[in-house]
Amino acid sequence: AQSVTQPDIHITVSEGASLELRCNYSYGATPYLFWYVQSPGQGLQLLLKYFSGDTLVQGIKGFEAEFKRSQSSFNLRKPSVHWSDAAEYFCAVGAGYQLIWGAGTKLIIKP
Amino acid sequence: KAGVTQTPRYLIKTRGQQVTLSCSPISGHRSVSWYQQTPGQGLQFLFEYFSETQRNKGNFPGRFSGRQFSNSRSEMNVSTLELGDSALYLCASSIRDSGNEQFFGPGTRLTVL
Repeated sequence: AQSVTQPDIHITVSEGASLELRCNYSYGATPYLFWYVQSPGQGLQLLLKYFSGDTLVQGIKGFEAEFKRSQSSFNLRKPSVHWSDAAEYFCAVGAGYQLIWGAGTKLIIKP
Repeated sequence: KAGVTQTPRYLIKTRGQQVTLSCSPISGHRSVSWYQQTPGQGLQFLFEYFSETQRNKGNFPGRFSGRQFSNSRSEMNVSTLELGDSALYLCASSIRDSGNEQFFGPGTRLTVL
């Protein structure tokens, strides 16, 4: 069955520190992969996407993600977080007529 | 290009009532998906419409229904509201396949008292 796992429900990081949010997926074909961010009470905004080609993709707000087929992973990274990055982050896999969503990881920034 | 718009943004209803939420997709987008988001359950897929046809449906009771019009605008309806229906309802549009990039509206916050 198709599924997306984000193993960390919450992550706390100090401002200025590096960040890695984990995402693992289960999907039979070559996946379309996405990371979205949601600020409190708002809709979701696309951070970056992977369809094919270079496995390291750059997104908005200084985020990047690396697709690793052998590990079925698509982890999100940022070298130095800012307080404004505090939000919830969702990983998703494109599966035909729908996106399969992870449960989300809430990022908390310590001053 | 205008983004996805949802109306109303906030809604308060009482148990047993029904509610209709509206979504206008980005111009040219023909696929509209609806999601329910609650703190405990995360993002739950409701249904997806393309060219006025429901292509995909999540695991929700029949009280939840939707439709899409010829201009791609979509509505979802919830009848006989229950307290547990309190949630943020998100609409997302995509050009064709909703397994592709989706663009989200700000959501409608429904509170059932």
